[in-house]
Amino acid sequence: QKEVEQDPGPLSVPEGAIVSLNCTYSNSAFQYFMWYRQYSRKGPELLMYTYSSGNKEDGRFTAQVDKSSKYISLFIRDSQPSDSATYLCAMSASYGQNFVFGPGTRLSVLP
Amino acid sequence: SAVISQKPSRDICQRGTSLTIQCQVDSQVTMMFWYRQQPGQSLTLIATANQGSEATYESGFVIDKFPISRPNLTFSTLTVSNMSPEDSSIYLCSGNRGETQYFGPGTRLLVL
Repeated sequence: QKEVEQDPGPLSVPEGAIVSLNCTYSNSAFQYFMWYRQYSRKGPELLMYTYSSGNKEDGRFTAQVDKSSKYISLFIRDSQPSDSATYLCAMSASYGQNFVFGPGTRLSVLP
Repeated sequence: SAVISQKPSRDICQRGTSLTIQCQVDSQVTMMFWYRQQPGQSLTLIATANQGSEATYESGFVIDKFPISRPNLTFSTLTVSNMSPEDSSIYLCSGNRGETQYFGPGTRLLVL
C-alpha cells in the first residue's frame, strides 16, 4: 500500500460545479496537510495548508481533514476553467520535514 | 509565500553530458530539497540539500549521478551527470518555510 493515495483522474466537470478531490493515507503520524495546484509545465503552487483535523476555507476552496479516517479533501466551489490543473495532496508528520506527496488528480473544468 | 527561483528554466542536452541547475531561495527558507517529476507522474524526492555538508539522498538516487551542493542557506545546485534520455524530466527545487513547503518553477530537461 502506498503511503498516500489519490485518484489520478482525469476528472471532468462543467463550469460552476462543486469539485471534490480526495486523498487517503496510511501513516497516522501525519498532522500537516497541504494541497498544491500544478498547471501544465509549471511548478506546484501551494493552495491550502491545514494542521491536524478540521476544516479551512479560503475563497472558493475548502480543505477538510479527517484524521480518524486518514482522509483529506479539497472542495472547489463554483469551479472555473482556470481551475483546470493537477491537484496534489501532501502531508508530513513533523514540523519542517519533507512532505510525502500523492500522485495528483488531473481536473478539467469545461466551459 | 517563499520566493524560490531556478535556472535554467529548460534545456536540451546531449547524452553523456552533465547539466547543473541552480536554485535560489529567500532567507526564511530552512530546508531545501530537490525533486524529479517525470512526464505525467507525481513528485519524487531526490535528496535533501544540507548546508555545508553532503546531501541526504533517497533510495534509488546516488551522489555520483546527482551531486548536490548547498554552500550557504539560500543557494543550492543539482547536477545531473552523464545524462541519458531516461533523465528527461522536470527537476524542481523546493524549500520549507515554517510549516509549509514551496516549489520553484522547475527546470524542464530533455536529453537526446
